[in-house]
Amino acid sequence: AQSVTQPDIHITVSEGASLELRCNYSYGATPYLFWYVQSPGQGLQLLLKYFSGDTLVQGIKGFEAEFKRSQSSFNLRKPSVHWSDAAEYFCAVGARDNNDMRFGAGTRLTVKP
Amino acid sequence: DSGVTQTPKHLITATGQRVTLRCSPRSGDLSVYWYQQSLDQGLQFLIQYYNGEERAKGNILERFSAQQFPDLHSELNLSSLELGDSALYFCASSVGDIGGYTFGSGTRLTVV
Repeated sequence: AQSVTQPDIHITVSEGASLELRCNYSYGATPYLFWYVQSPGQGLQLLLKYFSGDTLVQGIKGFEAEFKRSQSSFNLRKPSVHWSDAAEYFCAVGARDNNDMRFGAGTRLTVKP
Repeated sequence: DSGVTQTPKHLITATGQRVTLRCSPRSGDLSVYWYQQSLDQGLQFLIQYYNGEERAKGNILERFSAQQFPDLHSELNLSSLELGDSALYFCASSVGDIGGYTFGSGTRLTVV
């Protein structure tokens, strides 16, 4: 079965600084890949997804992610972080032959003024 | 508002009791997914329904059951509740079997 690892439990960045959140997946074939964001007390909101094609995916709120097959990674990036980006970020992987989408443990982002 | 509606938002109940969580998917979405989010287990997939039929099962306990009705809303039934069942329960919906899910804001269940 597919699985996801988010190596960083908690990351702190200064407002205006760049951000990269790491995600590594395990799956035998090309997966479906997703990034979600969860603000406190809220549900998860889809930031972006990768199914096929261009490996650099643009999402909402200025986020992008790059699929690197050779590294089994799908890291999330943002060039300049805003205080409102403080939240929990989840990477998820879905298999193409079943309906089981697995989520990583999440990375909590704190933004310093 | 994501378009996925979950009720109630908060629920406090005693051990041994039974509760029902309700989810109305986004208009046009045929798939409904239930997830449990707790501090120690993270986000765990419980079950999926597609157009009224069970499509996939995850880490759902036998004490838990779900169904999807003809109008596509879904209910998650939790019975013989234990303290460890305290968690956030999310419903998500999608058009098809896979794709970007739209999540509801969740039901926070506290078992005392």
